[in-house]
Amino acid sequence: GDSVTQMEGPVTLSEEAFLTINCTYTATGYPSLFWYVQYPGEGLQLLLKATKADDKGSNKGFEATYRKETTSFHLEKGSVQVSDSAVYFCALFNTGGFKTIFGAGTRLFVKA
Amino acid sequence: DAGVTQSPTHLIKTRGQQVTLRCSPKSGHDTVSWYQQALGQGPQFIFQYYEEEERQRGNFPDRFSGHQFPNYSSELNVNALLLGDSALYLCASSLRQLNTEAFFGQGTRLTVV
Repeated sequence: GDSVTQMEGPVTLSEEAFLTINCTYTATGYPSLFWYVQYPGEGLQLLLKATKADDKGSNKGFEATYRKETTSFHLEKGSVQVSDSAVYFCALFNTGGFKTIFGAGTRLFVKA
Repeated sequence: DAGVTQSPTHLIKTRGQQVTLRCSPKSGHDTVSWYQQALGQGPQFIFQYYEEEERQRGNFPDRFSGHQFPNYSSELNVNALLLGDSALYLCASSLRQLNTEAFFGQGTRLTVV
């Protein structure tokens, strides 16, 4: 079945450092890919998405490119802030499955 | 557009009790899915409702049941609560015909003591 694998955390960075969180997926067909963010004690917020190969999703300085050849959707940000500290979830929505499948999440800590 | 709304936001129950969580989908959506997110984990699919019927189900026991109403809103019921049912319960809605992404509510945090 479809699945999402993302790098284990926690990831600890200093402010203004470069961030990469790796995400790979297994799916039949052509899923849409997402990154969600969850701040402490809150629900999920959609951070960015990409619906087809080579699409780049971007929001709030975060970017991710849908790479079908490597089945990847890595999250990047050039300069993280303390306020980016949260848990990040990679996810896919497959047209054949009608449900969103999540990775286990990666916790990010950014130090001032 | 109010988006997906869930109620209540927080809930505390005792082991063995029953609980009902509620979800109103985004305007125009006809499909509702429920997810359980235990502490430190990613959301896990519980089940999905469309046309007032359960269409898909994840690996959850029969203690978890649901309902969808004619106005597309939905309820999640959990019977005989266990401590391990403590989690954030997320509702997501989508439009089945277009089969595009699901939109998530902010969740109900259930604590079983």
